[in-house]
Amino acid sequence: DGGITQSPKYLFRKEGQNVTLSCEQNLNHDAMYWYRQDPGQGLRLIYYSQIVNDFQKGDIAEGYSVSREKKESFPLTVTSAQKNPTAFYLCASSIVSKLPGSASTYTGELFFGEGSRLTVL
Amino acid sequence: AQKITQTQPGMFVQEKEAVTLDCTYDTSDPSYGLFWYKQPSSGEMIFLIYQGSYDQQNATEGRYSLNFQKARKSANLVISASQLGDSAMYFCAMREGNNRLAFGKGNQVVVIP
Repeated sequence: DGGITQSPKYLFRKEGQNVTLSCEQNLNHDAMYWYRQDPGQGLRLIYYSQIVNDFQKGDIAEGYSVSREKKESFPLTVTSAQKNPTAFYLCASSIVSKLPGSASTYTGELFFGEGSRLTVL
Repeated sequence: AQKITQTQPGMFVQEKEAVTLDCTYDTSDPSYGLFWYKQPSSGEMIFLIYQGSYDQQNATEGRYSLNFQKARKSANLVISASQLGDSAMYFCAMREGNNRLAFGKGNQVVVIP
């Protein structure tokens, strides 16, 4: 089945350690995203990528890093510089379409993985 | 500045009744898209419905409909004939010209039998 796979589902980290969250998609989507969700809150964008080897910072990129070496994969590293990393992390992907007769693009709905819950001990 | 506003407190709705979830948005971009997602307690995000800024008709998908009032910048979700499985958090989101989706803080809905 096509979809987005995030791993691990649960992760515990000691302070000062870097951890990497995996996100793989087989939907052939060009765009991929990482969001963070804190309890009772909405989703906040960390990083996104609309094409291989290119990515942009979202609203809360500090303390995080990403790479997009392959279309299918968009791993997120939570570094020791992230002061409050305990959260639920969601990866998503979407198609990127071109508007007819225009260089502009637009993305469709986001397809989400099941999330990774990171706890810092 | 917050782009998506969802301010309703948690809502209780009787099974089989309809419920309306409010969402207002703020953008100066003439081209944008509005989405609603459902998040059950398991944490997954489930896409429900989409409305484009140039769409003339209100979007509908089964029991979900979107009451799009462009001049008021509102995109309220209506769930008809509520079911117990509708109990979840509901998020409104907006896509702007840079292809980023901004999410609101969500509405909690509990359906009671």
